[in-house]
Amino acid sequence: LAKTTQPISMDSYEGQEVNITCSHNNIATNDYIMWYQQFPSQGPRFIIQGYKTKVTNEVASLFIPADRKSSTLSLPRVSLSDTAVYYCLVGDVGSGGYQKVTFGTGTKLQVIP
Amino acid sequence: EAQVTQNPRYLITVTGKKLTVTCSQNMNHEYMSWYRQDPGLGLRQIYYSMNVEVTDKGDVPEGYKVSRKEKRNFPLILESPSPNQTSLYFCASNPTGSNQPQHFGDGTRLSIL
Repeated sequence: LAKTTQPISMDSYEGQEVNITCSHNNIATNDYIMWYQQFPSQGPRFIIQGYKTKVTNEVASLFIPADRKSSTLSLPRVSLSDTAVYYCLVGDVGSGGYQKVTFGTGTKLQVIP
Repeated sequence: EAQVTQNPRYLITVTGKKLTVTCSQNMNHEYMSWYRQDPGLGLRQIYYSMNVEVTDKGDVPEGYKVSRKEKRNFPLILESPSPNQTSLYFCASNPTGSNQPQHFGDGTRLSIL
C-alpha cells in the first residue's frame, strides 16, 4: 500500500502561486492520486485527481511526472480563504475492487495578507 | 442536498460504555469508509465497505466494529471504548471505483474518559 509524504506546513502571501509536493514512492500501477482540502471542524473536500501528466480544473492544477513517484498540487493566486490543510491521497484497488486508501499527514497552508 | 450525515457530532463518555456513531448517506453510493483523525497522524482509515454486507479492515481497525445492513447506513461501533480512542471521526462515501472522490461528513468528536 503506497504511503505518502508531504511537508508539514507552508506559508504564502496572498496572490502568490503555491505548490505543494507529495511523495509516493511505492505507488502501484492502478493507483490514482487525489488531493483534498480540509478546513477546521469540517470534513475533507475533494479538490483534484489525476493518474499521470497534468490535470487542471477551476480550482487547481495537478502535475504528475512520468515515474508517478510524486505529485504537485498547484494553487494559483491564493487568497486568505485558501488557508487549510491539504491532503495527498493514493487509492489502492485491491482484488475485487475493494477500496483501501491512505491519506498523507497533510500540509497546513497558511496564507498571509 | 447530497450529504453524509454523522451523529452525534460530539460525545463525552466513559471507558467501557458501548457506543455507536451513525453514518448515513443519501447519494446511493456503494463505498463507505470510517476514518479517525489525530494530531500529527492525519486521517487513518478504520474500516471500509464496498457494498451491503461487505466490509474490510483499514489501517487501524483494532477496537472498532462496523456493519453494513443497508446501503445508506454504515455505523461505527465501539464495544468497549478506551481513552486512546479519543479522536475526531469522519465517515465518507463514494460511488464504485477507487478513483471516485469521497464525500465526507462533518465529523464526530469523541472523548473517552
